[in-house]
Amino acid sequence: EPEVTQTPSHQVTQMGQEVILRCVPISNHLYFYWYRQILGQKVEFLVSFYNNEISEKSEIFDDQFSVERPDGSNFTLKIRSTKLEDSAMYFCASSVYAGFGEQYFGPGTRLTVT
Amino acid sequence: DAKTTQPPSMDCAEGRAANLPCNHSTISGNEYVYWYRQIHSQGPQYIIHGLKNNETNEMASLIITEDRKSSTLILPHATLRDTAVYYCIVRGTQGGSEKLVFGKGMKLTVNP
Repeated sequence: EPEVTQTPSHQVTQMGQEVILRCVPISNHLYFYWYRQILGQKVEFLVSFYNNEISEKSEIFDDQFSVERPDGSNFTLKIRSTKLEDSAMYFCASSVYAGFGEQYFGPGTRLTVT
Repeated sequence: DAKTTQPPSMDCAEGRAANLPCNHSTISGNEYVYWYRQIHSQGPQYIIHGLKNNETNEMASLIITEDRKSSTLILPHATLRDTAVYYCIVRGTQGGSEKLVFGKGMKLTVNP
């Protein structure tokens, strides 16, 4: 069964460093998402991406964040200058449709900023 | 904010049916009810969704009341692996947001 994959599973970085989190969505999906979950808190939407453009973003997704689909398979989230409060699980998701239908999530990348 | 309310937790005996309630009294006509679950710290897993008719798939059944103000997710034969946080999410389809808005969900513990 197709699944969303994410790498790395755990990333440790120092405050101020840039990190890139990688995702491979399900191959026939057209819509891609990033969510994050700070330990013990709710899953929060960050951004959605379609046709090589951001289609929606949350207040969390400020200028420190960017997304890219560099090729036909990968979808990346970059944090330019990490802060301690960026420590969280980051989940990538993909779907065939936008406003309708299920989103399939990857296993997540645990980001620890020290 | 999430448009749904769920009890914070529920216990169920292994092998028995687990009935997970959700209230969504402000749901509008074009909004679907989605259920996801999150096992420990894994990524949320899609379970089922519906508009107004009852739905069933290999994982669960979804019963939506006639007025659509509440629904129940039924796991017919709960196993220990069904222990997870379950999220009931209301989501529109026309011109609305693409995002899923997760609340606190409900922790289901399946006991041996």
